[in-house]
Amino acid sequence: NAGVTQTPKFRVLKTGQSMTLLCAQDMNHEYMYWYRQDPGMGLRLIHYSVGEGTTAKGEVPDGYNVSRLKKQNFLLGLESAAPSQTSVYFCASSASGSSYEQYFGPGTRLTVT
Amino acid sequence: GEDVEQSLFLSVREGDSSVINCTYTDSSSTYLYWYKQEPGAGLQLLTYIFSNMDMKQDQRLTVLLNKKDKHLSLRIADTQTGDSAIYFCAEWYAGNMLTFGGGTRLMVKP
Repeated sequence: NAGVTQTPKFRVLKTGQSMTLLCAQDMNHEYMYWYRQDPGMGLRLIHYSVGEGTTAKGEVPDGYNVSRLKKQNFLLGLESAAPSQTSVYFCASSASGSSYEQYFGPGTRLTVT
Repeated sequence: GEDVEQSLFLSVREGDSSVINCTYTDSSSTYLYWYKQEPGAGLQLLTYIFSNMDMKQDQRLTVLLNKKDKHLSLRIADTQTGDSAIYFCAEWYAGNMLTFGGGTRLMVKP
């Protein structure tokens, strides 16, 4: 069991470039989440999905898009990267909502210059 | 979103108890959580407490919940150097969302 994996681990982008972050989970979880972590601000939810083919906005969705075409994968896209999107991005998954534990990936460190 | 507040930093000596505090604002929270983040890693769930409980104990960890004051604390007994990490409290509220505090960095001195 690999749990939650994220690709890539590190990336440097120039302003205006696009990229896709990939999250994969092998636990057959229904729920998947994308967060960003900035110093002193904890984690903030970008988008989430409650099942294959569904997505919903979180707290800070602007500038990001997501897709959940397969249950095990959740993709986060940046169409036109901005320096304000420099952050560490974490993917998580859970069997369901509320009390079910969210399992986190190791993170992707993104720098936009 | 709702606000979850934590102090930034706590330093203790090995063998002492650590108490990490958290305040939250949403009185309708159903579950409250403590997560641990070690350097370069994602978050790991340590424990959680349902909102109708006052206390939960799990080995060296004790969680206290004061609903009236919207105050949550995590006590780590016999703190070890391996407990050095960032600790996040989080609350679950309607909308399938967890709201995280900013994290408390715990440093354990030998």
